[in-house]
Amino acid sequence: NAGVTQTPKFRVLKTGQSMTLLCAQDMNHEYMYWYRQDPGMGLRLIHYSVGEGTTAKGEVPDGYNVSRLKKQNFLLGLESAAPSQTSVYFCASRLAGGNIQYFGAGTRLSVL
Amino acid sequence: GENVEQHPSTLSVQEGDSAVIKCTYSDSASNYFPWYKQELGKRPQLIIDIRSNVGEKKDQRIAVTLNKTAKHFSLHITETQPEDSAVYFCAAKGSRNRDDKIIFGKGTRLHILP
Repeated sequence: NAGVTQTPKFRVLKTGQSMTLLCAQDMNHEYMYWYRQDPGMGLRLIHYSVGEGTTAKGEVPDGYNVSRLKKQNFLLGLESAAPSQTSVYFCASRLAGGNIQYFGAGTRLSVL
Repeated sequence: GENVEQHPSTLSVQEGDSAVIKCTYSDSASNYFPWYKQELGKRPQLIIDIRSNVGEKKDQRIAVTLNKTAKHFSLHITETQPEDSAVYFCAAKGSRNRDDKIIFGKGTRLHILP
């Protein structure tokens, strides 16, 4: 039981490049979330999903897209990376009707 | 939507003393209040939580209190130790519908001084 796994752990992009961050959970959780963490800003919700095939916008969705084609996976895409997207990205998941949210180890992204 | 305010942003206490971190929330429908600890370079991990039908919960040196009327809740750490140094996040979760989200405060960086 690996919990919540994020890949990659680190990535450096040039402005304008695209990439996809993968989040996988093996706990059969319905809800999945993508956050970004910046100094002094806490954890800000980018997008989330309450089930396979559904996604919704969070607080800071601009510049990102997501997909939840399988229940266990939640993908975060950057179509044209900008320096403002330099951050640490965390994925999280929880059971529908549950409270405890489990986090992945994070992805540190730098956009030059 | 829900808004969570957390204070202070930085807190330094002498080892062995107590630390208190305070949070307020805006949505009266929120019914679950977790606290997460994040050590440097690590993921946030749940350390204690409280539901809205309880006023206080304690787990060894950590306690959380909730005042629903005033819409604020606090984390109390007693007999602080060096390993308590970390960033602490409070959060609140509503119960309005199946899209209820956990909203986090901006975090408090706790330094335990030797």
